[in-house]
Amino acid sequence: DAGITQSPRHKVTETGTPVTLRCHQTENHRYMYWYRQDPGHGLRLIHYSYGVKDTDKGEVSDGYSVSRSKTEDFLLTLESATSSQTSVYFCAISGPGQRMETQYFGPGTRLLVL
Amino acid sequence: AQSVTQLDSHVSVSEGTPVLLRCNYSSSYSPSLFWYVQHPNKGLQLLLKYTSAATLVKGINGFEAEFKKSETSFHLTKPSAHMSDAAEYFCVVSDGRKTGANNLFFGTGTRLTVIP
Repeated sequence: DAGITQSPRHKVTETGTPVTLRCHQTENHRYMYWYRQDPGHGLRLIHYSYGVKDTDKGEVSDGYSVSRSKTEDFLLTLESATSSQTSVYFCAISGPGQRMETQYFGPGTRLLVL
Repeated sequence: AQSVTQLDSHVSVSEGTPVLLRCNYSSSYSPSLFWYVQHPNKGLQLLLKYTSAATLVKGINGFEAEFKKSETSFHLTKPSAHMSDAAEYFCVVSDGRKTGANNLFFGTGTRLTVIP
């Protein structure tokens, strides 16, 4: 299994509060991604990173920001959580060369916004 | 634009019988295609991938998939289902970039139930 951890694994928060999710990898891969998973939608890309301090938006980026100050860490922040952001969040990484296209996923963070 | 349609939201089979999970894709590029599996309350695990080599791709746990360009399909099969195969399966297409970050487009998933 790829060395990817996510923290916290579960979180309950209230509407309007800030929330930060962390993804940590030990593979030294350049590319990192944040997805959310909702019933009937599969996984949808929120943001991705192609290097330290280099990030870009995905399909559903509104209400989310990201930061990557080190190769191994990719943070997802909900500045002011809303109930529509209740979801399961997955981090993924992809590696160099021919393995670049293949993404490996972390265990997920289950977020409930009340 | 890239998209994936999984034709069945739920498939139920008896243990020991064949599995067929259907997937059709749309891609503006020469696509890369993947199948991932997600067991309950777990992350996603790569089953297999197609990246323009052999059209019949073998994956882990006895699964395989065949890329058919003329039908824009990438169906997942297994000759004999096992109880441990019960999970959610996602068909995925890459946005085709061979360098840099690749965006993946997920189907909505097929839940496989295996009946003892």
